[in-house]
Amino acid sequence: EAQVTQNPRYLITVTGKKLTVTCSQNMNHEYMSWYRQDPGLGLRQIYYSMNVEVTDKGDVPEGYKVSRKEKRNFPLILESPSPNQTSLYFCASSALGAPLHFGNGTRLTVT
Amino acid sequence: QQPVQSPQAVILREGEDAVINCSSSKALYSVHWYRQKHGEAPVFLMILLKGGEQKGHEKISASFNEKKQQSSLYLTASQLSYSGTYFCGTESDKLIFGTGTRLQVFP
Repeated sequence: EAQVTQNPRYLITVTGKKLTVTCSQNMNHEYMSWYRQDPGLGLRQIYYSMNVEVTDKGDVPEGYKVSRKEKRNFPLILESPSPNQTSLYFCASSALGAPLHFGNGTRLTVT
Repeated sequence: QQPVQSPQAVILREGEDAVINCSSSKALYSVHWYRQKHGEAPVFLMILLKGGEQKGHEKISASFNEKKQQSSLYLTASQLSYSGTYFCGTESDKLIFGTGTRLQVFP
């Protein structure tokens, strides 16, 4: 089944403790992206990648890192999480110019 | 800059129609529409490309006016299953989503 898989679904952590949210897709898509969703603000792009080893900042990249060492994986790294990064995160992938396929989301709480 | 969606929220009875608008300040290559049900991931509805074409998906259709940099989503004879939050995504140099329109359909 074609899908984008994010893990974990729920994560509660403390300020400053490094964490990684994984994202994997099995559709051989070139394009992958991370979004955060906050009430009233819609989906805001954090980082995106057009292909392996090619990443670029979205609209809200501060406090996040990504890597794209393999085509299928695009992990999101929070080196030192802060409470303002409490949010719902979505990973998405697509062929270039095609519709996005979203993962099921990761609800992160930073205390 | 995020596209502007209006209205922010719509409440309908089953069978009623609704229009959701999406407006951008940039020249657009395409407009995407997605629907997100509560607690779930956004799901693709349709893409409209430069050229002003209108597309349809069941009783949901959309138009794209590239001169005005606007798109509208039309929901006709709404069903309970249409409830959710609708996002437009506008694409110029990259895809940017609007803040969403929450649609609730009641029996």
